[in-house]
Amino acid sequence: GQNIDQPTEMTATEGAIVQINCTYQTSGFNGLFWYQQHAGEAPTFLSYNVLDGLEEKGRFSSFLSRSKGYSYLLLKELQMKDSASYLCAVNRVAAAGNKLTFGGGTRVLVKP
Amino acid sequence: SAVISQKPSRDICQRGTSLTIQCQVDSQVTMMFWYRQQPGQSLTLIATANQGSEATYESGFVIDKFPISRPNLTFSTLTVSNMSPEDSSIYLCSVEDYRGLDNEQFFGPGTRLTVL
Repeated sequence: GQNIDQPTEMTATEGAIVQINCTYQTSGFNGLFWYQQHAGEAPTFLSYNVLDGLEEKGRFSSFLSRSKGYSYLLLKELQMKDSASYLCAVNRVAAAGNKLTFGGGTRVLVKP
Repeated sequence: SAVISQKPSRDICQRGTSLTIQCQVDSQVTMMFWYRQQPGQSLTLIATANQGSEATYESGFVIDKFPISRPNLTFSTLTVSNMSPEDSSIYLCSVEDYRGLDNEQFFGPGTRLTVL
C-alpha cells in the first residue's frame, strides 16, 4: 500500500520561511505533486517533481529525494494569503493509469 | 490549463436518495478522476473514469454505490446512491493535462453534499 506523512499544522510569521516535509512509501512511484487548498475551494497545482533535486517557482520551491522517499515544499517571504492547507500527493503507475494518493495535508497559518 | 466545471455546486439531500454530479471539461481528456474529501480530511480517490471502458474503483468504493458514466472525452458523471449522512462530503472531479511542462492534474470546483 501507500503511506504518505506530513505534519498536520504549522504556524509562521508574515515574511518568514516555512518548510513543509512529506515522506512517502509507495510502489510504482511516478512523481510527487504539491497542491494548495484554501478553505472551501478546490486544490490548485503548485509543483511537480519526478527527478531528484530542487524546483524553484517564485516564492515556492519543492525538493525531492527518491532514494529517501522525501519531499519538501518551501514557502518564502510568507504572505497572509498563503494561509491554506498544503497537500502532498504521490503519483504512482497503476494498471488503469497514473493515480494520485494524497497525504493528510498541512494547515499553514500565517500570522502578522 | 484545463477548465473544469461541476454541477451542482452544492446540494442537501435526504437519506436514501441518490444524487448525480456532472463534470464538464473544456477540452478532450483521456483520464478523469473522482475524489471525495470528507470534512477536515484530505482527498481520497474514488475511481478513474476512462472513455469507452468501465470505471476502475479504488479499495473501499464499489460501482453499486458510486456508479460512473463517461460517455465522451469531455464529460463524466458520478452518482452517489442510497445516501446516508456518512456520504456528506465534497466530491471533486479532476483531469490530467499533459500539454504543459508539468504532468499536472487539475481539479474542478467540487460539489458540496450534505445528507440529512
